[in-house]
Amino acid sequence: NAGVTQTPKFRILKIGQSMTLQCTQDMNHNYMYWYRQDPGMGLKLIYYSVGAGITDKGEVPNGYNVSRSTTEDFPLRLELAAPSQTSVYFCASSMNRDLKETQYFGPGTRLLVL
Amino acid sequence: GESVGLHLPTLSVQEGDNSIINCAYSNSASDYFIWYKQESGKGPQFIIDIRSNMDKRQGQRVTVLLNKTVKHLSLQIAATQPGDSAVYFCAEILTGGGNKLTFGTGTQLKVEL
Repeated sequence: NAGVTQTPKFRILKIGQSMTLQCTQDMNHNYMYWYRQDPGMGLKLIYYSVGAGITDKGEVPNGYNVSRSTTEDFPLRLELAAPSQTSVYFCASSMNRDLKETQYFGPGTRLLVL
Repeated sequence: GESVGLHLPTLSVQEGDNSIINCAYSNSASDYFIWYKQESGKGPQFIIDIRSNMDKRQGQRVTVLLNKTVKHLSLQIAATQPGDSAVYFCAEILTGGGNKLTFGTGTQLKVEL
């Protein structure tokens, strides 16, 4: 299994541009998450999904959108990029809501908005 | 509001010594805690977890202690090695939906030779 994969690894955007951060997992996990991590800080939850067709807001959803059309994919969309969205974005997945299940993280996407 | 935070931003230890990384949490309703290790340029990696009905849990070279009375969590690393150098995060599970994690700020562990 490849686990959780993210593309691209790094991207520079101009203010107002849009882009989609891709996330795919091949572990047949139901739960998927998007986090952002600012320098020297912990991760903050943007959006999460408990299964295909179901998404919900996390702690910092403003400026982002998500969709979950399949179990495997959970793309994160930035419609109008702002400098405040400069961050490292991590996607994660877990099997279910059983607290014994841990979240597996992807390698991250570094985004710079200028 | 509820929060999870770490006492020390940076911890330096000698190779072979034991390391103790601390974490304070404020949400008494949290019933599950996880320690993650994050190496530079990588995503967080699960280390060990503990449920709120436990006081201690041991893994390979790591031990997590939970003190619910003072809402304190610690990670002990035995015989610290250079490969242990990383940022360590504690996280709490907020039950009620989605297995959502709330992360602390992080502690940088530096292992000196």
